[in-house]
Amino acid sequence: DADVTQTPRNRITKTGKRIMLECSQTKGHDRMYWYRQDPGLGLRLIYYSFDVKDINKGEISDGYSVSRQAQAKFSLSLESAIPNQTALYFCATSDLQGPLETQYFGPGTRLLVL
Amino acid sequence: AQSVTQLGSHVSVSEGALVLLRCNYSSSVPPYLFWYVQYPNQGLQLLLKYTSAATLVKGINGFEAEFKKSETSFHLTKPSAHMSDAAEYFCAVSKSGNTGKLIFGQGTTLQVKP
Repeated sequence: DADVTQTPRNRITKTGKRIMLECSQTKGHDRMYWYRQDPGLGLRLIYYSFDVKDINKGEISDGYSVSRQAQAKFSLSLESAIPNQTALYFCATSDLQGPLETQYFGPGTRLLVL
Repeated sequence: AQSVTQLGSHVSVSEGALVLLRCNYSSSVPPYLFWYVQYPNQGLQLLLKYTSAATLVKGINGFEAEFKKSETSFHLTKPSAHMSDAAEYFCAVSKSGNTGKLIFGQGTTLQVKP
């Protein structure tokens, strides 16, 4: 079984709809992240959480919100979806290995906003 | 502020040829550097990371990268390309310490021709 899972894997929605993307992990990591990937832009950080009570905005948090329901679950919500939120969304988790940490990515959710 | 630039959004090589993917970084503090690979329809997978212990870093699947402070570069190489190396490659930088925030480059798509 995959260590980091994302649901759904694909989603089509309409402008103005509220949607939630979910991420679950079995790695036992405290840190979790949400990124979006756009062609030619690489990955950009939306939100991150270092533990259940800690939520931080990333580079591009406007139009998004998150919920850390448990150590293993981190959800991303689009309150009112708009077409320029069409992208590939990745969840990641990380551990601490000495001075560095390594991030482990889920398979991604492809979102299309019409 | 930290940043990463990947030179060339697409690189095409013949099978068996040298692979060279370029990454330059900007950082006011000693950086930690990473290369990730994304195979089609999959999440990102860590190839290798620079830990400051050695300037030449060996990763998985025969890839390696050399940290050159004087050139602010961390280029990824592989002596002989395989068809299975076709993927998108991302260079990333993070601040020293356990900040957990990765800054990604734009990505380079590697095409391997028979």
